[in-house]
Amino acid sequence: RKEVEQDPGPFNVPEGATVAFNCTYSNSASQSFFWYRQDCRKEPKLLMSVYSSGNEDGRFTAQLNRASQYISLLIRDSKLSDSATYLCVVNEGVRGYSTLTFGKGTMLLVSP
Amino acid sequence: DTGVSQDPRHKITKRGQNVTFRCDPISEHNRLYWYRQTLGQGPEFLTYFQNEAQLEKSRLLSDRFSAERPKGSFSTLEIQRTEQGDSAMYLCASSPKGTGRNEKLFFGSGTQLSVL
Repeated sequence: RKEVEQDPGPFNVPEGATVAFNCTYSNSASQSFFWYRQDCRKEPKLLMSVYSSGNEDGRFTAQLNRASQYISLLIRDSKLSDSATYLCVVNEGVRGYSTLTFGKGTMLLVSP
Repeated sequence: DTGVSQDPRHKITKRGQNVTFRCDPISEHNRLYWYRQTLGQGPEFLTYFQNEAQLEKSRLLSDRFSAERPKGSFSTLEIQRTEQGDSAMYLCASSPKGTGRNEKLFFGSGTQLSVL
């Protein structure tokens, strides 16, 4: 079965903390990888793509290990506004269009 | 607002009734997707359109579900004889042509369906 599995959460952290989310995927043929953010009762929004070399966007760092089929997201200096559910997303993409498989998401709660 | 638009935002219906949802993608996007999301789960793929052609349907899309995109612009998702298990958020997403494996999907705000 093709799956994307994430830490169940929720993660409760104080402002300023560093928090890391982990994700594993089962389909070794997966082509591309993303983290989406979803606020309560809102639609998912792309946070960042994840590249094999690792990539950073401000306070957010994503890592991919294809050999271990593992993806991570690191958030530094957490803000209250970072509170949301973070979805790990894998694109099998073999048909020339997106076949996205979403994890269940990990909820982050940042407190003052 | 030039984002993906979905209508209605909320729908409450009685079991056995038919419902129809509409999605207006971003105007220059030729790819359109429908997803379903239940509480505590990530979105699950339902179906994909490239222009007016429906190219893939998930096994989640039972024969009570039908989706159309008649002119390659807006799309509709109809559920016939609704069941309580159909209660979920129905999300539409679009993307432009030719973005390859790093295709980025833009989601609408979704239609929350509650079947009583």
